[in-house]
Amino acid sequence: DAGVIQSPRHEVTEMGQEVTLRCKPISGHDYLFWYRQTMMRGLELLIYFNNNVPIDDSGMPEDRFSAKMPNASFSTLKIQPSEPRDSAVYFCASSPGTRGGDTQYFGPGTRLTVL
Amino acid sequence: KQEVTQIPAALSVPEGENLVLNCSFTDSAIYNLQWFRQDPGKGLTSLLLIQSSQREQTSGRLNASLDKSSGRSTLYIAASQPGDSATYLCAVRPNSGYALNFGKGTSLLVTP
Repeated sequence: DAGVIQSPRHEVTEMGQEVTLRCKPISGHDYLFWYRQTMMRGLELLIYFNNNVPIDDSGMPEDRFSAKMPNASFSTLKIQPSEPRDSAVYFCASSPGTRGGDTQYFGPGTRLTVL
Repeated sequence: KQEVTQIPAALSVPEGENLVLNCSFTDSAIYNLQWFRQDPGKGLTSLLLIQSSQREQTSGRLNASLDKSSGRSTLYIAASQPGDSATYLCAVRPNSGYALNFGKGTSLLVTP
């Protein structure tokens, strides 16, 4: 398997623009996670899905952030409108779940810069 | 709220040394604990996962221990190599849910 795939790898945008980050989890994994990493706050969980259903979105910072998982092989994280404080590295991870093990497999991340 | 702390924040050692990285957590009601490695500009790679009922896990030169009651875990790296240079993060999963709480990591530099 190719592992977790994220696109784009880098995104530079201007404040107020809409940003969409994409993730393809490992085939057969039941769980998908979105994380954000900054120097100040480290790695923080934003939201996670189980079988395409959002389970915990308490980490989503505000209504400007939304995430969807329309099918088992694709998820998006959208920021609208974007702000400079959203600049961070956004990681997607997937996990097989209890049946297959708890280990989370991370994608390479999307480095977002909002000017 | 679970707080995960890693000490030291940075560490530099000469090649060949054995070293210990520390992780502490405030809430002992955990399901498991994972150690990850992150290389610059890359994602995280899981190194070891210890279930709450286990005391340690080993993989090659790496050994991770868990003392749940005292809220501590250590990652022991034997005979360090320059290729071990990376940031090491620990993360705990609570008994309820799948959300991992991460420490801020220890940045390790192994010099030749």
